[in-house]
Amino acid sequence: QVQLAESGGGVVQPGTSLRLSCAVSGFSLRSYEVHWVRQAPRKGLEWVAVISYTGTTQFYGDSVRGRFTISRDTSRSTVFLQMNSLRPEDTAVYYCARDLLPSAPDYLDYWGQGTLVTVSS
Amino acid sequence: IVLTQSPGTLSLSPGERATLSCRASESLSGNYLAWYQHKPGQAPRLLIYGASTRATGIPDRFSGSGSGTDFTLTISRLEPEDFAVYYCQRYGGSPLLAFGGGTKVEI
Repeated sequence: QVQLAESGGGVVQPGTSLRLSCAVSGFSLRSYEVHWVRQAPRKGLEWVAVISYTGTTQFYGDSVRGRFTISRDTSRSTVFLQMNSLRPEDTAVYYCARDLLPSAPDYLDYWGQGTLVTVSS
Repeated sequence: IVLTQSPGTLSLSPGERATLSCRASESLSGNYLAWYQHKPGQAPRLLIYGASTRATGIPDRFSGSGSGTDFTLTISRLEPEDFAVYYCQRYGGSPLLAFGGGTKVEI
């Protein structure tokens, strides 16, 4: 069955970096896009990034563009989110999620349980 | 394209009908809109995509409608497990995806 599992969250200081991982099973990263979505405390869902099934295209949300990078390792069935220059407002639970369809439009049908990132001095 | 959900909170009882609104600041191409249910401590759950298609395993008391800029999620008869926060999500434009601010359905 389709599963996604995030890891790598923790407490970090502002200005530092962190890399999140999303290990997937039950499907191939060569066939489906994977997204990152976050939820800050007491806030709603915010879309963060997506990597295409070819691995050659990435898109980012406005608040993370230029600081975060999404990538993948198909041999390890893992998607990464490299987060640089972290800010307190990046504090959130980060979810990875799979696309419902192999191509556009993008809807998210399988989600991981999330990993908490806290940015604080 | 900004999605605005209303009301912010909906206070209802089990068995009642819930009507949630999602309004886009511009017309959504292809009506590329989805609805999710989110409970505390759980992953969000896809309910509706393409504005009106129920996702796999979603009970038929959930229905989606609308087109262009105005979309609605209706829960015909609320069950105790339906009390949660609901988000709409659009596809297309910049950024590529975006969520509305959410509607909390509470008892």
